[in-house]
Amino acid sequence: LAKTTQPISMDSYEGQEVNITCSHNNIATNDYITWYQQFPSQGPRFIIQGYKTKVTNEVASLFIPADRKSSTLSLPRVSLSDTAVYYCLVGDILWVNDMRFGAGTRLTVKP
Amino acid sequence: GAVVSQHPSWVICKSGTSVKIECRSLDFQATTMFWYRQFPKQSLMLMATSNEGSKATYEQGVEKDKFLINHASLTLSTLTVTSAHPEDSSFYICSARYDSQETQYFGPGTRLLVL
Repeated sequence: LAKTTQPISMDSYEGQEVNITCSHNNIATNDYITWYQQFPSQGPRFIIQGYKTKVTNEVASLFIPADRKSSTLSLPRVSLSDTAVYYCLVGDILWVNDMRFGAGTRLTVKP
Repeated sequence: GAVVSQHPSWVICKSGTSVKIECRSLDFQATTMFWYRQFPKQSLMLMATSNEGSKATYEQGVEKDKFLINHASLTLSTLTVTSAHPEDSSFYICSARYDSQETQYFGPGTRLLVL
């Protein structure tokens, strides 16, 4: 099981691009990288998932270098409502109970 | 699509009573459901994994006789906290996934307060 390491907290301002990096040095060949967003008193919400290179959706982009030992979640032009905790997870989709959350990164967006 | 609901969203109970929390996948069949617990300002902790029709697999340190999990159908899993105590007060979140999809879809969570 690949352990993930993220910064505990980050601050940003409205309109800025935010990049949150997650380290997963022990990532296995079959592991996918998934990012979730969680607001207080709510369940986590899926943001984006990838295996390698770059993935982009309407919410964010995910950059994964060739060695896959890290990944970067990029949030374009954040707003106050993006203040939340962001979790990086690494797991093998074939091992259904392999999804474990790290401490997450608490992002605070300021006006 | 892929909506997961939980009921109740809030529950307050007396110490020693049992509380049942329901987790439903509203628009898909969840072959696997997960139960998490989250204490204030902490990360989610996986409690157990349940596959429809099978006994749940509990994480180390989670008492299976205290946290009863039933996954009787492809759209419903229940977590029963038996003989609840104040230290069981927490935010309980379920998630569900279907077929070979790798994404888990999370419910909104249930906040339990044991007095």
